[in-house]
This record gives sequence, C-alpha cells and structure tokens, in this order.
Amino acid sequence: GAVVSQHPSWVICKSGTSVKIECRSLDFQATTMFWYRQFPKQSLMLMATSNEGSKATYEQGVEKDKFLINHASLTLSTLTVTSAHPEDSSFYICSAWGLAGGNEQFFGPGTRLTVL
Amino acid sequence: QQPVQSPQAVILREGEDAVINCSSSKALYSVHWYRQKHGEAPIFLMILLKGGEQKGHDKISASFNEKKQQSSLYLTASQLSYSGTYFCGSSTSGTYKYIFGTGTRLKVLA
Repeated sequence: GAVVSQHPSWVICKSGTSVKIECRSLDFQATTMFWYRQFPKQSLMLMATSNEGSKATYEQGVEKDKFLINHASLTLSTLTVTSAHPEDSSFYICSAWGLAGGNEQFFGPGTRLTVL
Repeated sequence: QQPVQSPQAVILREGEDAVINCSSSKALYSVHWYRQKHGEAPIFLMILLKGGEQKGHDKISASFNEKKQQSSLYLTASQLSYSGTYFCGSSTSGTYKYIFGTGTRLKVLA
C-alpha cells in the first residue's frame, strides 16, 4: 500500500502556543487529505477534509480558526493548532486519498499532542 | 451519523472465533474495516462495496448485507496478534469521506 508520513510523531507544548503537524504522501499524489482527532479509548472523529489547492471543509463543531489546514501540494497537508490548550491534547491522524489508491484511504502514523 | 458497533468489547482465548457488527441507520456506499493497536494508526483490513458481498483473507472475513446498512467482521481461530480495537468506517454515496464506527475492543488471551 501507499505510504503516508506524519511529523512530528509527538509534541509537547505550553498552553497558548501554536503547533504545526505535517502529513505527507510519499509515493502517490493525494488529491484529498483528511484530518482526524482521537481521544483516549474513543473512535476517530473526522475534523476536516482538504483538497489540494482549495479551502478545507470542516465538520460541524470544529473551529476553523483554531485548526488551520493547508493543502498546498498533492503530497503535503498541514494542520496548525493555534493557541493550543490542554483540552486540545489528543492523537491527530491524517489520511490521504488519491485516484491511484482506488477506494482506500491511507493513514499516517499519527501525532500525539500534549498541551501543558 | 456514526455507525454503532457491537459488542463494545470482547475477550477471547487463542483459537476462538468472534463476530463484530457495524450498523447504520442509513444505507452506506461502502464499508471499510480497520484494526488499531494502541497509539498507532489504523490498519486497513478490507472494503466492501456491494450489498450481499462477502470477502475475506486468511482467517478474517466480512459481509455487507443486501440493504447495505449492516456489516459484520468475522475473526476465525483468533491469534494473539488480533488484539486491538476494530473500527468500521462508512462512506456515503459519492464521497470518500469516512465516518468511523464506535469501535470494538478485542483482546485475545493465550
């Protein structure tokens, strides 16, 4: 299957700071990337869908100004958590979809964010 | 609307079988099954697209009912490596956006 990477794998930051998470598709062109958030012992909750070169579509209840998503190329999407607070601490996972992958989304390994 | 999975949790002995169900109130375009180990990304198991479809590989198989509102994952002769949380992911017609089910925690004991 296709490979998706995320960077960093984990990050610890102080409350009020901003954190950027990168999601890269390494061996295919990702037309669409998805960002999920997962709290302990819970399911993955879709936060937003981003298509290359256009604005992200956010799910209901997700603050656009807090979770900034940029999908500048077919291989890179970034999620910036602005003015992070402890309640933003979570496991953030991206996935990528491209025509070459058929119906499958390919998931990155996830980024664990801890806000102190 | 999030698909509901049952059971929420199950404990098995090695070699035993298990069934995990995923139900939706609306017809689904497709259903995908994933297994996730703690702290890791979900691993794709299989996708079903057609009502009445059944497929599998090794000792893991799945079915999608005719109305496309329910899917079941069958784990046969479970192994220790099967432990993890299983999620169904459903997409609605015309999109590749997934909504994940509530999850089923499965633990296989030696």
